[in-house]
Amino acid sequence: DAGVIQSPRHEVTEMGQEVTLRCKPISGHNSLFWYRQTMMRGLELLIYFNNNVPIDDSGMPEDRFSAKMPNASFSTLKIQPSEPRDSAVYFCASAVFGSNQPQHFGDGTRLSIL
Amino acid sequence: DAKTTQPTSMDCAEGRAANLPCNHSTISGNEYVYWYRQIHSQGPQYIIHGLKNNETNEMASLIITEDRKSSTLILPHATLRDTAVYYCIVRPTGGGNKLTFGTGTQLKVEL
Repeated sequence: DAGVIQSPRHEVTEMGQEVTLRCKPISGHNSLFWYRQTMMRGLELLIYFNNNVPIDDSGMPEDRFSAKMPNASFSTLKIQPSEPRDSAVYFCASAVFGSNQPQHFGDGTRLSIL
Repeated sequence: DAKTTQPTSMDCAEGRAANLPCNHSTISGNEYVYWYRQIHSQGPQYIIHGLKNNETNEMASLIITEDRKSSTLILPHATLRDTAVYYCIVRPTGGGNKLTFGTGTQLKVEL
């Protein structure tokens, strides 16, 4: 079975540019989570969706960050404009809402803002 | 959500059992204990979870104390590939709830 698929795996761009990270959850999963991992802050939740609806975006650092889930099989995390401090590994995870089964994570996108 | 406390690091000899403790003294009756691990540069990998009974799967065993205030993850025969950061997380029952990751335990398996 295909797991959570994230793209791109690596992204290097200059500050001020728009960055779009993509995630395809596991088929049949209806909860989707975006996390960010840095050395300083560890692994932190940015936002999560249930049935394509954003439930909790309290972890989104500021207005430069936005996330969408237009359908059950696709989500994006956008940073505009990007800044060097946004450099991190961004993970997407999915799960079955209403179940105690675990979240499953993608391999992440390693983002470097120069 | 209940907070968890784990040792910062542990060492284990290859082939021996690795026993990773976790304290969750404020756990509520409806909170599960989940274990994940993260091998360098990879996404967190689910290992096992439980509510109050001991659990075992192909990867590990989870022992939860009777009062549920602590648990131990057991890797029965650790290998070098088990070197990773191990996270113990408590989460309320019902899907769609977020996971709050702490700093975890860095397990180093050595020859």
